[in-house]
Amino acid sequence: GAVVSQHPSRVICKSGTSVKIECRSLDFQATTMFWYRQFPKQSLMLMATSNEGSKATYEQGVEKDKFLINHASLTLSTLTVTSAHPEDSSFYICSARGQVYEQYFGPGTRLTVT
Amino acid sequence: QKEVEQNSGPLSVPEGAIASLNCTYSDRGSQSFFWYRQYSGKSPELIMSIYSNGDKEDGRFTAQLNKASQYVSLLIRDSQPSDSATYLCAVNSGNQFYFGTGTSLTVIP
Repeated sequence: GAVVSQHPSRVICKSGTSVKIECRSLDFQATTMFWYRQFPKQSLMLMATSNEGSKATYEQGVEKDKFLINHASLTLSTLTVTSAHPEDSSFYICSARGQVYEQYFGPGTRLTVT
Repeated sequence: QKEVEQNSGPLSVPEGAIASLNCTYSDRGSQSFFWYRQYSGKSPELIMSIYSNGDKEDGRFTAQLNKASQYVSLLIRDSQPSDSATYLCAVNSGNQFYFGTGTSLTVIP
């Protein structure tokens, strides 16, 4: 149980385009999901907390107009990187909160912006 | 002071030895504690959770919690090269969830 999927696993896009990443909890309902970014050899960095049916809460320094988060159902949250630039290239990971506040992570999406 | 602190390592142990990973946290009211394993280039995987003082064993892994001293540890017995990874400590405090920066473990064959 407690499986979280992410799609796509890898994406390459051109600078200026937008990319949407999907995060799904496959066998449980997740009222809260999280989006992280991780650069090589660095720690996880929480970008935002996504609650079903309400606006996401962004961490300080994360541009909400650039990283659009939608959590329209109990099993799906999406992250859209708008007008992507090479500095947005990173490993994006979502997680879903379980019943005792543990987090289950998706496999991650590696974004490369050329 | 960070909410969760870990020694970043790297920690190296020979195959078959016990690896000991430690974590301290700042909020005395924290209720839930977790250990994640993250292989290079992969996302974190939950391997242990512990909620009350004492030891919790799962196969070769033992989590230890001491709320009075505000530390949680992970012991890996009979370490294998496949255990080489970064281990993240995580603490739930109220509705907040904090990760440590991780300890890199290398098991030498």
